[in-house]
Amino acid sequence: EAQVTQNPRYLITVTGKKLTVTCSQNMNHEYMSWYRQDPGLGLRQIYYSMNVEVTDKGDVPEGYKVSRKEKRNFPLILESPSPNQTSLYFCASSLRGVSYNEQFFGPGTRLTVL
Amino acid sequence: GQQVMQIPQYQHVQEGEDFTTYCNSSTTLSNIQWYKQRPGGHPVFLIQLVKSGEVKKQKRLTFQFGEAKKNSSLHITATQTTDVGTYFCAGRNDYKLSFGAGTTVTVRA
Repeated sequence: EAQVTQNPRYLITVTGKKLTVTCSQNMNHEYMSWYRQDPGLGLRQIYYSMNVEVTDKGDVPEGYKVSRKEKRNFPLILESPSPNQTSLYFCASSLRGVSYNEQFFGPGTRLTVL
Repeated sequence: GQQVMQIPQYQHVQEGEDFTTYCNSSTTLSNIQWYKQRPGGHPVFLIQLVKSGEVKKQKRLTFQFGEAKKNSSLHITATQTTDVGTYFCAGRNDYKLSFGAGTTVTVRA
């Protein structure tokens, strides 16, 4: 089944404790992206990757890191999480860039930073 | 920077009635996409509009892209309980895709 998977689905952590949220897609998509969703703000892009080893900042990249060593994986790293990073996070992928292709979203990761 | 505004933020609809949600951009868009997110779920792609003035229909849903490519609308006729959720528009300009804040729809049976 074609899909985007994220792990973990739920995470409660404390300020400053490094964490990684994994994202994997099995559709051979070139483009992958991370979003955070907050009430009243919609989906805001954190980072995106046009292809392997190519990443770029989205609208809200502060406090996050990403890497794209393999085509299928695009982990999101929070080196020192803070409470303002409490949010619902979605990974998404599309065949190529967002220009002409629909994005497929993962199930989401709900992160709480205490 | 590019901003995509969506109104209304909330839409409470009687089952069987019609409603429209609007999406407006501060800049001209190359294309616009619409997504639906069911409660507790993830966004799911509905449609993409590319041409100025384009109109597309999916059963009871009608999507329009404005002539100036700066606005779009989603009109749902004869609302059903299955239409519950949040509808997002996402506008593309250059390499950036910006999402609106969404319209959350609830339906009164």
